[in-house]
Amino acid sequence: AQSVTQLGSHVSVSEGALVLLRCNYSSSVPPYLFWYVQYPNQGLQLLLKYTSAATLVKGINGFEAEFKKSETSFHLTKPSAHMSDAAEYFCAVSDGQAGTALIFGKGTTLSVSS
Amino acid sequence: NAGVTQTPKFQVLKTGQSMTLQCAQDMNHEYMSWYRQDPGMGLRLIHYSVGAGITDQGEVPNGYNVSRSTTEDFPLRLLSAAPSQTSVYFCASSSLGQGYYNEQFFGPGTRLTVL
Repeated sequence: AQSVTQLGSHVSVSEGALVLLRCNYSSSVPPYLFWYVQYPNQGLQLLLKYTSAATLVKGINGFEAEFKKSETSFHLTKPSAHMSDAAEYFCAVSDGQAGTALIFGKGTTLSVSS
Repeated sequence: NAGVTQTPKFQVLKTGQSMTLQCAQDMNHEYMSWYRQDPGMGLRLIHYSVGAGITDQGEVPNGYNVSRSTTEDFPLRLLSAAPSQTSVYFCASSSLGQGYYNEQFFGPGTRLTVL
């Protein structure tokens, strides 16, 4: 079965600092990987997705993620944090055996201080 | 387009009561699913459907029933609510045109409390 692990349930950065949110996956087949963001009291919004076309994936709001097969990682980064980036971030892998069912990590809450 | 809509937004039930959480989408998506979100647990798949008349179980299906009579609607039924079902429930939909990496669109959620 596929799974994802998000390292760090809470990450705090200063405004303008680098954001790095870690995600490692476990999959016996080439994975389809996603990052979603959830703002307080809202649903989830797709930030970016990896579909094997390119290892460096650019998403919305200045975020990007790099797929590293050797490290089984798909870490999310943003060069300069903004206050509006404060939210909860979820890494997810598509379980091919269940259609497009997503297996989510437990989430990382990002706090941004001024 | 309204996207994915869920009703109600909030609900309080007593143990043993039944209710249906409604989910509708107007994007003609074949795939629809229900997740529950609990603190520190991320989102876990309850049930999903790849088209009208076709449903299947996800990771945590016990205590929940679903049906899919139309493309647009995918209600989630709790037959006898238990405190362990206190959670935030999200419905999501996507097209199946490109396989497993289509974006899933999420509704705003239903916050359910079972006393």
